[in-house]
Parts: sequence; C-alpha cells; structure tokens
Amino acid sequence: GENVEQHPSTLSVQEGDSAVIKCTYSDSASNYFPWYKQELGKRPQLIIDIRSNVGEKKDQRIAVTLNKTAKHFSLHITETQPEDSAVYFCAASSSGTYKYIFGTGTRLKVLA
Amino acid sequence: SAVISQKPSRDICQRGTSLTIQCQVDSQVTMMFWYRQQPGQSLTLIATANQGSEATYESGFVIDKFPISRPNLTFSTLTVSNMSPEDSSIYLCSATDIAGNTIYFGEGSWLTVV
Repeated sequence: GENVEQHPSTLSVQEGDSAVIKCTYSDSASNYFPWYKQELGKRPQLIIDIRSNVGEKKDQRIAVTLNKTAKHFSLHITETQPEDSAVYFCAASSSGTYKYIFGTGTRLKVLA
Repeated sequence: SAVISQKPSRDICQRGTSLTIQCQVDSQVTMMFWYRQQPGQSLTLIATANQGSEATYESGFVIDKFPISRPNLTFSTLTVSNMSPEDSSIYLCSATDIAGNTIYFGEGSWLTVV
C-alpha cells in the first residue's frame, strides 16, 4: 500500500524567512497531493494541492512542487508570519481509490 | 466546498461503553471516510464508508470494533465499541467532492475514555 514520509517533524523559522516541508510517497499510481494545515484544536484545512500532470503550483505565499520521477513533493512558504504556526500534513491519493494517506506531520513554529 | 457536520463534538466516555458519531454532509459527495487522529499524531484512515453496503476497513481496523453505516449519500455513522483508554482520539469524518477530487473534514469528535 501507499506510504508517505514527511520531514522534518518540527521546523522553527524566524518571521519573514521561508519554510520548506518535504514528503515522499511510494505508490507510483498516486496522482493527487494535497497539503493540510491544522491549528491547535481545529480540523485539518486544505491549503494547496497539486496533481501529477503539474510540476509546480503557487498561491500567494504558498507553493508546492512535485517531482514524479523521484516521488517527492514539497511545500514552500515564503515570508512566514506567526499565524503560519501550525501542524502541516501532506497526503497522497490515487484516482482509483480516492483514499488519502497522510504524512506524519510537521510542526512549524514561526518566531516573531 | 462541502460542509461536514459531526456530532458529538466532544465526549467523555466510560471504559467498556460504546459511542456513535454522526456525520452529515450538506451536499452530495462521492466518497466518505473515517479517520482517527491520536494525540499528537497524524491522521490514520479507519475505513471507507460505502453507501448501502459494508464499509471497507484498513489494516488494523475491524468491523466489530468500528461498525460504520452509510444509509444514503450524505450521512454516515461510526461507532466506537467497547471503548478503552487507547481509543481516546479525535475521530474525523471526511468526504470528497462530487468530482472525487478534494477531501474535506468535519470538525472532529474528541473522545476521552476514562
């Protein structure tokens, strides 16, 4: 079955700096890769996603890149702000199953 | 996006009892899933709720412990049976949109077993 690894488990950055979170997946049939942000006591919220026919997608300060050959994808947050502090989860799924397998999560702390 | 309502939002349960969580979606969705998130952990898929038939369980989860129903396209229930403290978790209902693309989560049901 699909396995998703995520690194790092914790990440501290200074406000205004960039943050990068990386995930690798095992199932070559995976074709959809969303990223979720979970604030303390809240449900996961979708922040950006990418499909396998696209190499990069950007939405304001957030971008995701995908390398299908290497089976890894990354979340990039630029000009980080304290409100970006949360736990971020990557996930992978394939259109055949629609099941989402989540990474282990990254706790991001943006220091003011 | 789909709006997913879950209840109860929070409960404290006695060891050995069972609790049923309800999930209601405001629009037709293709797939509904139940996830568990143990304290400080990631989300683990329990099962796919299939309309009108038995749920499809992931490895490590069984129907006797987590019976699931989905009588129609927009409603599902998860029962946590014979609870022990190890079942203390957040249980999240989720659903994909009609195109089967994006997955959305309910607010979660925070269960504490004492």
